[in-house]
Amino acid sequence: EVQLVESGGGLVQPGGSLRLSCSASGFTFSSSGMHWVRQAPGKGLEHASAISGDGGTTYYPDSVKGRFTISRDNSKNTLYLQMSSLRPEDTAVYYCVRRSLAAIYWGQGTLVTVSS
Amino acid sequence: EIVMTQSPATLSVSPGDGATLSCRASQSVSSNLAWYQQKPGQAPRLLIYGASTRATGIPARFSGSGSGTEFTLTISSLQSEDFAIYYCHQYNNWPWTFGQGTKVEIK
Repeated sequence: EVQLVESGGGLVQPGGSLRLSCSASGFTFSSSGMHWVRQAPGKGLEHASAISGDGGTTYYPDSVKGRFTISRDNSKNTLYLQMSSLRPEDTAVYYCVRRSLAAIYWGQGTLVTVSS
Repeated sequence: EIVMTQSPATLSVSPGDGATLSCRASQSVSSNLAWYQQKPGQAPRLLIYGASTRATGIPARFSGSGSGTEFTLTISSLQSEDFAIYYCHQYNNWPWTFGQGTKVEIK
């Protein structure tokens, strides 16, 4: 059974940093591209970052480019999102997502709140 | 970036009636299109992937169709638990993009 479990969310002041983690199980992690999708309160879904299975290809939208860094440790089956220079508009639930040929799997999400 | 446009924004439906939700892509996404249901405080729940394949455990009253740029989610007979927000999602290209959502509410 595929499981994605996010952690690391919390309250942080504007300008601060936070690292999210996603622990994966139930599939061959190193062969799978991974994604972070975020959802601000009461808003829609936004593709926040992505990384290929070997870590060689990454994606960031302009809204987070230069502030967020996605990475992975295939030996630990863990995906990360390092967030810095956080802004109030980064407040959202962050979901770890994996696409396979058979389905698209989502974690339960972790809430990041940027506020003073 | 591919823009996904859903219509209508809100759909008022009586329990037991059917509902048709639309999603249009600004360029072809082949059949790489998913539909989700989301309720307050919950993660999106995958209903349909590959434009027309029901995910595991999804009731047969949910069906998806379309390819290229035009897609439809049909709910044949709405149950009380079906009132929620529905999103379409293209995963043909990075960045993934999502529709803005259709809220299905009780009439």
